[in-house]
Amino acid sequence: AQSVTQLDSQVPVFEEAPVELRCNYSSSVSVYLFWYVQYPNQGLQLLLKYLSGSTLVESINGFEAEFNKSQTSFHLRKPSVHISDTAEYFCAVTPQGFQKLVFGTGTRLLVSP
Amino acid sequence: GAGVSQSPRYKVAKRGQDVALRCDPISGHVSLFWYQQALGQGPEFLTYFQNEAQLDKSGLPSDRFFAERPEGSVSTLKIQRTQQEDSAVYLCASSHDSSSGAPLHFGNGTRLTVT
Repeated sequence: AQSVTQLDSQVPVFEEAPVELRCNYSSSVSVYLFWYVQYPNQGLQLLLKYLSGSTLVESINGFEAEFNKSQTSFHLRKPSVHISDTAEYFCAVTPQGFQKLVFGTGTRLLVSP
Repeated sequence: GAGVSQSPRYKVAKRGQDVALRCDPISGHVSLFWYQQALGQGPEFLTYFQNEAQLDKSGLPSDRFFAERPEGSVSTLKIQRTQQEDSAVYLCASSHDSSSGAPLHFGNGTRLTVT
């Protein structure tokens, strides 16, 4: 079975500051890793994913995440956040060969001016 | 529409009532998932369809929960004899294929409140 831990339930930051949202996972088999974002009053949207290849993956809006197999982590980072990044961010994993996602409990990113 | 559509958006049921939640996936999407999201928690898997076949229902919490997708398109999640612990947001997601790693497209969910 797989599990995902997002230790930070809420992360407050000021606009233009850097941010890191932590994600650790547990699995006895190889996994694919995802970050989903949920903006207020909207559904979950895929932000980025790691399937294979380069361990550093990027999104179109400046977020990046690095897969670290030895530390079983997939932390999400952005060097400079905007007010519009305020949302809830969910880390998720699925065993390779399957589509069933296991989600963490989410981290609420609050960006203030 | 272009996205996954769920209805109703909100549902209030008295304990013991039956409810039916509808999901219209993106046209042509093969895979369809139902998730349950309790307050302050991440989504938890309920069941999975590939076309009309229900391939995994291991997440359904009890035999009061039943899902169907008879024509491989629209899906309905039915909860019989609702209990207070069933209060949650029910999310539907679809994917264009069944390959591992294919992104899921989520609807806005149905918020069920059982009083």
